[in-house]
Amino acid sequence: DAKTTQPTSMDCAEGRAANLPCNHSTISGNEYVYWYRQIHSQGPQYIIHGLKNNETNEMASLIITEDRKSSTLILPHATLRDTAVYYCIVRANAGGTSYGKLTFGQGTILTVHP
Amino acid sequence: GAVVSQHPSRVICKSGTSVKIECRSLDFQATTMFWYRQFPKQSLMLMATSNEGSKATYEQGVEKDKFLINHASLTLSTLTVTSAHPEDSSFYICSARGGGFSYEQYFGPGTRLTVT
Repeated sequence: DAKTTQPTSMDCAEGRAANLPCNHSTISGNEYVYWYRQIHSQGPQYIIHGLKNNETNEMASLIITEDRKSSTLILPHATLRDTAVYYCIVRANAGGTSYGKLTFGQGTILTVHP
Repeated sequence: GAVVSQHPSRVICKSGTSVKIECRSLDFQATTMFWYRQFPKQSLMLMATSNEGSKATYEQGVEKDKFLINHASLTLSTLTVTSAHPEDSSFYICSARGGGFSYEQYFGPGTRLTVT
C-alpha cells in the first residue's frame, strides 16, 4: 500500500472547520483513501473513505485532488470531542497480499481548543 | 456502524503467566479479524490477521508461539499472550471485517495489558 504523509499536529478553534491534509503521491489506481481517528485510549473509529470523488457523510467531508496525490479531511464544525489522532491510510480494497490490511502511520494530532 | 467488543478492557498479570483477550463482533459475522498492538505514544502495529476456521497470518517479527490467535467462530477471536513479560505491556486492539464486499474494518475499544 502507498505511504502517506501527514502533519504531526494541528490546532483548531471550537466551532471552526478543521482541515487535515494528507499526501499520498505514490497512490495507485485501485487504492482508496481512508480516514480513521483515535481518541485517547480507545480503538480507532472509521470516519470516511473515497477513491477519486469527493465524499461527505455525517461526520466529515473528504476532498481528493484530481491527480489523487493528496486529500483533505474536513470537519466542518469542530468540537472539543473531535480532539484525537487522525490517520490517513491508503489501501487497496481487493486483491493482493495486503488485502484488508490497514497500515497506520503516525497520524495528525488534532487539538480543538475553546 | 458495526459494534466490536473486547474483554477485558484492562488486565494486570504477573510475569510468566498467560493472558487471554477476547474480541467479539456483536452484530455482524466477521470473516476476518485483525490484532494490533500499540505502545505509548506510538501508532498501531498490525500483529496478525485471522480468518475464521484457518490459521492466523502473523506479521514479520511477531512470534506466533507467544501470541496465540484463535478464530473459531464468525463472531469471536481470541489472542493469548503466553508467558507474558513486562515488555509485552501494551494496548491490544482488535478489528473485524465482514465478508463479501464489506471492506470496512470496525475496531474494538482495546485492552490495556500490564505485566508486572
